[in-house]
Amino acid sequence: QQQVKQSPQSLIVQKGGISIINCAYENTAFDYFPWYQQFPGKGPALLIAIRPDVSEKKEGRFTISFNKSAKQFSLHIMDSQPGDSATYFCAGSWGKLQFGAGTQVVVTP
Amino acid sequence: NAGVTQTPKFQVLKTGQSMTLQCAQDMNHEYMSWYRQDPGMGLRLIHYSVGAGITDQGEVPNGYNVSRSTTEDFPLRLLSAAPSQTSVYFCASSYRAAPGNTIYFGEGSWLTVV
Repeated sequence: QQQVKQSPQSLIVQKGGISIINCAYENTAFDYFPWYQQFPGKGPALLIAIRPDVSEKKEGRFTISFNKSAKQFSLHIMDSQPGDSATYFCAGSWGKLQFGAGTQVVVTP
Repeated sequence: NAGVTQTPKFQVLKTGQSMTLQCAQDMNHEYMSWYRQDPGMGLRLIHYSVGAGITDQGEVPNGYNVSRSTTEDFPLRLLSAAPSQTSVYFCASSYRAAPGNTIYFGEGSWLTVV
């Protein structure tokens, strides 16, 4: 069973819009929550990450919001661009990574 | 700087054949791992290693074997390929197996078992 549940499976957003991807986890041993971005034909690459003692982390147009009590975290992509079209994976880590199922994001011009 | 290099990129196998997926990293990372990626399943950990001579099983180890004789190399062996092993395989490495250490992925190996 997946310890990290990710939704939605896919989303389409217009250029300039906001993309929101949600994840929920079960393993309270996780102490590091990275997001990975994957383009077709490539391996995943670290996008942004957060530790559970922080409620929000922002890097450019990408923001992670973290709710420890609800065991949920989300990725917000502000001002979405066509170059952001990719698959995004959330994950929890206690040394080894446990990935969510992934969200395919398509940004239309 | 090559990072994590996987070979081959594409492979077609017949059921029952064996093969080895190669993985090498040039970053002197202690931690190396193999994942498989299937639609709707995300990436699942097959085997991992925290250093030369040390390997352990991940979530989905059945049908796969690994060894770590050097820091740089971490090959994945399919012992007797089955159609259920059709997948995209990713090798990954990080400095240590500790939270906060960035994990770097190779570009993947597409395997089809017929």
